[in-house]
Amino acid sequence: GAVVSQHPSWVICKSGTSVKIECRSLDFQATTMFWYRQFPKQSLMLMATSNEGSKATYEQGVEKDKFLINHASLTLSTLTVTSAHPEDSSFYICSAVAGGDADTQYFGPGTRLTVL
Amino acid sequence: GQNIDQPTEMTATEGAIVQINCTYQTSGFNGLFWYQQHAGEAPTFLSYNVLDGLEEKGRFSSFLSRSKGYSYLLLKELQMKDSASYLCAVLDSNYQLIWGAGTKLIIKP
Repeated sequence: GAVVSQHPSWVICKSGTSVKIECRSLDFQATTMFWYRQFPKQSLMLMATSNEGSKATYEQGVEKDKFLINHASLTLSTLTVTSAHPEDSSFYICSAVAGGDADTQYFGPGTRLTVL
Repeated sequence: GQNIDQPTEMTATEGAIVQINCTYQTSGFNGLFWYQQHAGEAPTFLSYNVLDGLEEKGRFSSFLSRSKGYSYLLLKELQMKDSASYLCAVLDSNYQLIWGAGTKLIIKP
C-alpha cells in the first residue's frame, strides 16, 4: 500500500530557531500534499495544501511567512516552522494524494514538535 | 511490521446501526483514534481510546480491547450525513501515528 513518511518523528528546539519537517511519499507520486496540525484529542486542523511546483495554499489564520511550505518534487514536501515559539509545539501531520485518486489521502506518522 | 486493518467499504441503511472494525499490530500502544473524513475535508476527531472498554458519545461509540488488538466504531441511528470515510489510527510506543486505510461508509435511504 501507499506509504508516507515524515522526518523527524520527534524534535525539540529552542525558542526562536527554525525547524524543517519533511514529508515523503515512498512508493507513489503525490501531486498534492496536505499539512495538518493536531492538538490533543482534537480534529486535525488543515494548515495548507501543497501542490508540486506551485505555491502552497494556506488556510485562513495560518501565517504563510511562519510556516513555509515547499513541494519541490512529486515525492517530497517540507514544512519549515520559522522562529518557533512554545505555542507552536504540536503534532504536525502530512498526507499525500496520489495523482489519479484525488479522494484518498495517505497519512504520515506525524512529527511531534516541542519548543522550549 | 506495523499494521492496521479495517474494511475498505461498508454499506448501511438510514436509521440502522453499523459497526466498523479495526484490528492492529503495532510496536507498543498509546491509544487509538477514530476520525471521520468527508471527501475534500480534513478528518474530524471522533474518539480516543486508551483503556479497554466502550466509550459512548451520542450516536457514536468506540470500543477497545488491547489484548486482542481490536477496536470498533459503532454508529447508531444512521443519517445520510454519516456517509464518509472512517479512519482508525494507533499511536505506537514512539508516539507515531499508524493509520488504517480508512473505511468508506455508504448510507442508503
